[in-house]
Amino acid sequence: GQNIDQPTEMTATEGAIVQINCTYQTSGFNGLFWYQQHAGEAPTFLSYNVLDGLEEKGRFSSFLSRSKGYSYLLLKELQMKDSASYLCAVKDSNYQLIWGAGTKLIIKP
Amino acid sequence: DAEITQSPRHKITETGRQVTLACHQTWNHNNMFWYRQDLGHGLRLIHYSYGVHDTNKGEVSDGYSVSRSNTEDLPLTLESAASSQTSVYFCASSESAGESYEQYFGPGTRLTVT
Repeated sequence: GQNIDQPTEMTATEGAIVQINCTYQTSGFNGLFWYQQHAGEAPTFLSYNVLDGLEEKGRFSSFLSRSKGYSYLLLKELQMKDSASYLCAVKDSNYQLIWGAGTKLIIKP
Repeated sequence: DAEITQSPRHKITETGRQVTLACHQTWNHNNMFWYRQDLGHGLRLIHYSYGVHDTNKGEVSDGYSVSRSNTEDLPLTLESAASSQTSVYFCASSESAGESYEQYFGPGTRLTVT
């Protein structure tokens, strides 16, 4: 079957760095997405990786290792507004997105 | 600005009633999707469409139907609502089904079936 695993919840301090991991087992791979979802709101796109390596976008970076079925989202200089759930999703061989359950990130002052 | 809207935002209905949730996008995207989101689960695909008059079943399609008569709209119908269908429903659209194209999400509809 297809499976995406992420930690359920993480806590970090304002100004710090946090890494959210995602491991996947899917039928085929056509890229990995990270989305941010604030409570009661819609998911919004953060990043896309299809090749191995690190993609940097401001305070957020995303890493992919296809051979290990592994990705992480790195958030630097954490701000209170970064408190949200972070969703990992893989586009499978049918170009459908398979979603993880999300990681709730709590930022403390 | 282009957007994707859903209505109603909140709905309470009784078991056995037919319910239709609306989704409207002004991105002019060919691809539209319906998901449900429940605690402890990732977003799960209900139905999707790659263009007018095209509809396809997703992972959790039982008890749901969709129709696509134009580019902008993909209404989701619950034929006979059940308590197990209490959930938050998200509509999404994308320009293409290709690799790098992200999906844009509507604000969601919170449905409660009593």
